[in-house]
Amino acid sequence: GAGVSQTPSNKVTEKGKYVELRCDPISGHTALYWYRQSLGQGPEFLIYFQGTGAADDSGLPNDRFFAVRPEGSVSTLKIQRTERGDSAVYLCASSSGYGANVLTFGAGSRLTVL
Amino acid sequence: AQSVTQPDIHITVSEGASLELRCNYSYGATPYLFWYVQSPGQGLQLLLKYFSGDTLVQGIKGFEAEFKRSQSSFNLRKPSVHWSDAAEYFCAVRAGNNRKLIWGLGTSLAVNP
Repeated sequence: GAGVSQTPSNKVTEKGKYVELRCDPISGHTALYWYRQSLGQGPEFLIYFQGTGAADDSGLPNDRFFAVRPEGSVSTLKIQRTERGDSAVYLCASSSGYGANVLTFGAGSRLTVL
Repeated sequence: AQSVTQPDIHITVSEGASLELRCNYSYGATPYLFWYVQSPGQGLQLLLKYFSGDTLVQGIKGFEAEFKRSQSSFNLRKPSVHWSDAAEYFCAVRAGNNRKLIWGLGTSLAVNP
């Protein structure tokens, strides 16, 4: 597509529930990133995919967080047993993966855990 | 470890006034440097970047930034601010081949008419 698309734009869930957030990157972009932005903070790196594989998942806070990109395009961030502290805006970005590797961001998915 | 400091949490300027947003980084070598802008409900948009070469870089919307190695700074400037520039501005750094961006806390810019 023309830009990075994230769905849902807003998600409200209850503590303990399971959540999936979807990212559709720019067509042809091989690199895909997930960041998390809490209120009043800068984005925080979670995970980076090059193609289908997670090249760096060092930012995932714990094993409740998992992300996949099975066909090298769309990615899903999965959060199990959500906690109130997971409330944040989850940002997805993609890049060509080469050269300057400049990221293009989606508008984000705002997650609220009650 | 890399870090980015944006000393000003909030800045208010009058429309038409000049603007400088500060960014200092901590990294042993020359990093890749970025400024992004985030408007309410919008994604982060790249304003400009520095990788190498000329230390004064031009970006979109009339913004420029200057890399100063001796001060470990990459300050963002605009000669005349427009009301539409009101937004959150983030400085970010990337170290060499490391794909992660390390971000500052952001500076919130308000523009008075």
